This record gives sequence, C-alpha cells and structure tokens, in this order.
Amino acid sequence: DAKTTQPNSMESNEEEPVHLPCNHSTISGTDYIHWYRQLPSQGPEYVIHGLTSNVNNRMASLAIAEDRKSSTLILHRATLRDAAVYYCIPLLNFGNEKLTFGTGTRLTIIP
Amino acid sequence: NAGVTQTPKFRVLKTGQSMTLLCAQDMNHEYMYWYRQDPGMGLRLIHYSVGEGTTAKGEVPDGYNVSRLKKQNFLLGLESAAPSQTSVYFCASRTQILSNSLHFGNGTRLTVT
Repeated sequence: DAKTTQPNSMESNEEEPVHLPCNHSTISGTDYIHWYRQLPSQGPEYVIHGLTSNVNNRMASLAIAEDRKSSTLILHRATLRDAAVYYCIPLLNFGNEKLTFGTGTRLTIIP
Repeated sequence: NAGVTQTPKFRVLKTGQSMTLLCAQDMNHEYMYWYRQDPGMGLRLIHYSVGEGTTAKGEVPDGYNVSRLKKQNFLLGLESAAPSQTSVYFCASRTQILSNSLHFGNGTRLTVT
C-alpha cells in the first residue's frame, strides 16, 4: 500500500489562502493523487486529482512536486464552508485496488 | 442517475441481532468499498470488491461479511451485532480508471445497544 502523511490539523483565517500538504513518497509513476474532503456529518466528496502536472478546478488547485513525492492542495480563498477533514489518497494501478484513508487534515476556518 | 444509494439511513439493533446494509450504484462501476467511521475518527476499510462475485478483506473485516452477486450491489452483513459495531457506514464505488473519482453514499448510522 502507498502511504500518505498529512498534518492532523490546520487553521486558517477566512478569505485567506490555505495550503494543505501531503507526503506520498511511495507512489509509483502511474498512480494518481486524489483529494477528498468530508464536511461535518456528511460523506466524503471529491475535490481534485492529478498525476504529474498542477491542476485547477472550481474548488481548488493541486500542486504536485516534480519528484511526485508530495503534493499540496490549495484553497485560494477559504470560506467557513471549507471547514472539513481533507484526505489525500493515492489511486494505485491495477492489482492495488485496496483503498485506505489516512487520518486526513482537519481544517478549521477562523472567521 | 442516483449515484451511490445506501439503505437504510438509520438503524438501531440489539446485541446479537443481524442485519444487512445495501449499497447500490447505477454508474456501472467495477470497484465497490465498505468503510466504517467511528465518532471523531477517519474512515476504515472493512471489505471491498473489484467485480461481480469477488470480495476481499480490508483493514477491519472481523464481524462482517459481504457479497457482490450483482455488479451494481454490494451488501454488508452483520451476523451478530456488537456494541463495538456502532458506527457510521459508508459505501463507495469507482471505475478501474485511476483518473476517475470515488463516489460515496450518504452513509448508514448504526447503533447497537
């Protein structure tokens, strides 16, 4: 299994950018990095994913290190609705369909 | 297109009772997963399936059984419920394509007294 390491918790002020880091030093060249978030009392929801290049969508940006051993989820202007637990998960190639979640990062937004 | 549907949404069991949780997806996904989430904790994988008729153990499989007789359904069974199985159970599914996302159901809140 590919292992990920994320800080347990982070805080950010509202309307400021947030950078959520993830270390995934054991992934292979064809494994995708996915990010999900879980809002209070809800199931996890997809945020963004990438392979090698930086990615942007309406929710966030994903910056992947050149060596692919780490990535950073960027929320450009955090709102109170972004308070959630954020999970970084490698989606592994065939033969590695087992999908486990780490503890994630609990993001608190300060008004 | 309903996505991933879990039934029931809530259930209360007495110790020793049995029940089955149903997960249904209408996206023709090959892979399906069952997770449990205890209060204030992360998601832990119970069992998963990579296709119709196949299942595999996850991180915490003891006390649970699963079946995937049809591609669209993944059933999670508790043969003899214990208070330690009080949790919120989430089902998820995805395709084989690594760039496609995981889709989650809304969860089943189970209380065992």
